[in-house]
Amino acid sequence: EAQVTQNPRYLITVTGKKLTVTCSQNMNHEYMSWYRQDPGLGLRQIYYSMNVEVTDKGDVPEGYKVSRKEKRNFPLILESPSPNQTSLYFCASSLAGVYNEQFFGPGTRLTVL
Amino acid sequence: SQELEQSPQSLIVQEGKNLTINCTSSKTLYGLYWYKQKYGEGLIFLMMLQKGGEEKSHEKITAKLDEKKQQSSLHITASQPSHAGIYLCGKYNFNKFYFGSGTKLNVKP
Repeated sequence: EAQVTQNPRYLITVTGKKLTVTCSQNMNHEYMSWYRQDPGLGLRQIYYSMNVEVTDKGDVPEGYKVSRKEKRNFPLILESPSPNQTSLYFCASSLAGVYNEQFFGPGTRLTVL
Repeated sequence: SQELEQSPQSLIVQEGKNLTINCTSSKTLYGLYWYKQKYGEGLIFLMMLQKGGEEKSHEKITAKLDEKKQQSSLHITASQPSHAGIYLCGKYNFNKFYFGSGTKLNVKP
């Protein structure tokens, strides 16, 4: 089944404890992206990747890192999480960037205490 | 995103009624995407509009793109409880993707 998977689905952590949210797609998509969704602020893009080893900042990249060493995986790294990073995170992928719909993962609900 | 404004922000309709959601871009629209999200869940792709005047339909949902007005509308005919959720428009600006603020739709049985 074609899908985007994210792990973990739920995570409660404490300030400053490094964490990684994994994202994987099995559709051989080139474009992958991370978003965060917050009440009143909507969905905002954090980082995106056009292909392996090609990543770039979205609208709200501060406090996040990403890597794209393999086409299928696009992990989101929070080196030192803070409470303002408490959010619902979505990973997405598409065949190639522009003019292709994105397929979304189920979301990761992160709480930073 | 300030690039895309959606209206209304929320909508409550009686089952069977028609409704329209609008999405207006502050910049030139080269393509517009519509997604639906059930509360707290992932997004489901509905439709993509690429050309001015383009209109697409899927079941009871129709979307149109007016490039001159930099606007798209999503119309639901004879709404059902299954249509409830958050409707989001989105677009690319170069390689970045921007979403509108979303429209929360509730359909009363």
